[in-house]
Amino acid sequence: QVQLQESGPGLVKPSETLALTCSVSGYSISSGYYWGWIRQPPGKGLEWIANIHHSGTTYYNPSLKSRVVISVDTSKNNFSLKLISVTAADTAVYYCARGAYCSTTSCPHWFDPWGQGTLVTVSS
Amino acid sequence: DIQMTQSPSSLSASVGDRVAISCRASLDISNYLNWYQQKPGKPPKLLIYAASNLGTGVPSRFSGSGSGTEFTFTISSLQPEDIATYYCQQYDHLLPTFGQGTRLEIK
Repeated sequence: QVQLQESGPGLVKPSETLALTCSVSGYSISSGYYWGWIRQPPGKGLEWIANIHHSGTTYYNPSLKSRVVISVDTSKNNFSLKLISVTAADTAVYYCARGAYCSTTSCPHWFDPWGQGTLVTVSS
Repeated sequence: DIQMTQSPSSLSASVGDRVAISCRASLDISNYLNWYQQKPGKPPKLLIYAASNLGTGVPSRFSGSGSGTEFTFTISSLQPEDIATYYCQQYDHLLPTFGQGTRLEIK
């Protein structure tokens, strides 16, 4: 079955860049879905960050767009997130997930499955 | 962007009760609405997609309804394992947004 696993540093200093990778197994990332990142600050709700298609098409949360880059590596079957100039407000559990599958007529978009999540703390 | 408002923010009910959670969209989103269940320390799990379709392996006591701007998630008979936080999520032009969540507790 499809499995996703986040990896990256658990501690990032303020003003630096947060970088995470999501490794996908059991499914080819080139098979047509969008792949996304979602985060959840401790004790708070879910916030979508960005989506990417294997073709390179990207969508970003407007509130984070200026600081986020999402990329895909089909040869490694993974996709990545970079968030620049982080502050304590970026401390969160970061999840990766499989997202939308778009046809010529529709683009139904739910996140399933999800990775287990990785806690990233921004602190000096 | 489209705002999603869930109510109530928390809910206490007894085992066997019928439980309903509301989600309201700031714009008409047709049936582009999903529901997730999140237990502590775990990622969210998809329960309902496209407003009323049951996810894979999801028990039939869970259901969803609605269209346009008003949606409802229902548990027909609350079980102890249903204790969790529930989120709605809309998808419009591949810019999804989540509701703020409803925390469900056993009375």
